[in-house]
Amino acid sequence: QVQLQQSGPGLLKPSQSLSLTCVISGDSVSSNSAAWSWIRQSPSRGLEWLGRTFYRSNWFNDYAVSVKGRITINPDTSKNQFSLHLNSVTPEDTAVYYCARDPVGKGGYLDPWGQGTLVIVSS
Amino acid sequence: SYVLTQPPSVSVAPGQTARITCEGNNIGSESVHWYQQKPGQAPVLVLYYDSDRPSGIPERFSGSNSGNTATLTISRVEAGDEADYFCQVWGSSSEPYVFGTGTKVTVL
Repeated sequence: QVQLQQSGPGLLKPSQSLSLTCVISGDSVSSNSAAWSWIRQSPSRGLEWLGRTFYRSNWFNDYAVSVKGRITINPDTSKNQFSLHLNSVTPEDTAVYYCARDPVGKGGYLDPWGQGTLVIVSS
Repeated sequence: SYVLTQPPSVSVAPGQTARITCEGNNIGSESVHWYQQKPGQAPVLVLYYDSDRPSGIPERFSGSNSGNTATLTISRVEAGDEADYFCQVWGSSSEPYVFGTGTKVTVL
């Protein structure tokens, strides 16, 4: 059974950087079929996919246009985890952040999800 | 970007059938996935590829997809089914996971 465990701070000031980690058990971040995503949820924006990383003989990343330029998602094969870094946060980045696995990559679904981390950006 | 529209709320009595729609342009040509989210919890996959159930999801959950509408049907609704439900499709490489607006199911 695949499980994802998130960690990271939940309170940030504007202009700071958000960093979250998602530890994987029951699967490998280097899987040749899965993809590993970060999604956030807020009342104003609903569920919003932010980006993903996946391995297909090489590492690849895709990022949402809405956060491109501010976001980096990195795999860590030694710890079987992946991380989210979002720079220059504003109050609009306040949301619950989730990590999730797509077992099949393209055309796929997200299962399972991490437990979620509430991130509040406030001065 | 692809837009998926759901009704904000659906109310149903226990034992009855709840139908939650997800509307999108020619959504019938896409694979639709559905998630259940209870308050304070992460979303949980309840249907994938329109109508397949993950292990542990009751047979009461079923799905269909045709034309411009996909539907999640919950038969013999129980109090424990009260939750928000979201549909999701594959968009494109630049926006691979597109989510619906969400429907709150209330069990009367």
